[in-house]
Amino acid sequence: EAGVAQSPRYKIIEKRQSVAFWCNPISGHATLYWYQQILGQGPKLLIQFQNNGVVDDSQLPKDRFSAERLKGVDSTLKIQPAKLEDSAVYLCASSPGGGWYEQYFGPGTRLTVT
Amino acid sequence: SQQGEEDPQALSIQEGENATMNCSYKTSINNLQWYRQNSGRGLVHLILIRSNEREKHSGRLRVTLDTSKKSSSLLITASRAADTASYFCATDEVISDYKLSFGAGTTVTVRA
Repeated sequence: EAGVAQSPRYKIIEKRQSVAFWCNPISGHATLYWYQQILGQGPKLLIQFQNNGVVDDSQLPKDRFSAERLKGVDSTLKIQPAKLEDSAVYLCASSPGGGWYEQYFGPGTRLTVT
Repeated sequence: SQQGEEDPQALSIQEGENATMNCSYKTSINNLQWYRQNSGRGLVHLILIRSNEREKHSGRLRVTLDTSKKSSSLLITASRAADTASYFCATDEVISDYKLSFGAGTTVTVRA
């Protein structure tokens, strides 16, 4: 079974630039998550999709972050404009359902904002 | 805000020894999960324990849950170098509509 795919793996941008991350979940998984993990901390949920609808985006900084999940499969997360404090690893995860299920994580995208 | 807090923040043990780490949380939960993260394999699910369960085993892992104390522990027996990683507890709060909140993690180093 193929795991969660993410790209790119690494990205370096200057502040005020924009960046986009892509995620392809495990086939058949209805729920998709985007997390931000700052060095030395645990992952923080940014947004949760159930199929192509948003379940929770309460911790997404909506003035600069946006996310979409087209046709309930792939998802993209965009930051525009980026700030220095956005430097982190962005993790995508998927699960068959909500919190009752384990989540399967992708390898992450390490973003450095200079 | 983070729901779970792991203790200790860091742990160094000799290969073959047991490692124990604890997780405390603040509000009622549906379930609690433990994950491991290392540079080679990313974040991987280890075990899920439901709020009505008190203990669960998986291979060399033993997890306990005490809902009255709002705490959980993860025991790794007969540790190996490959167990070197950060371990996170993640809680699914009753009020949170089934989203997971991760703690800051315990970093475990297993010395050969």
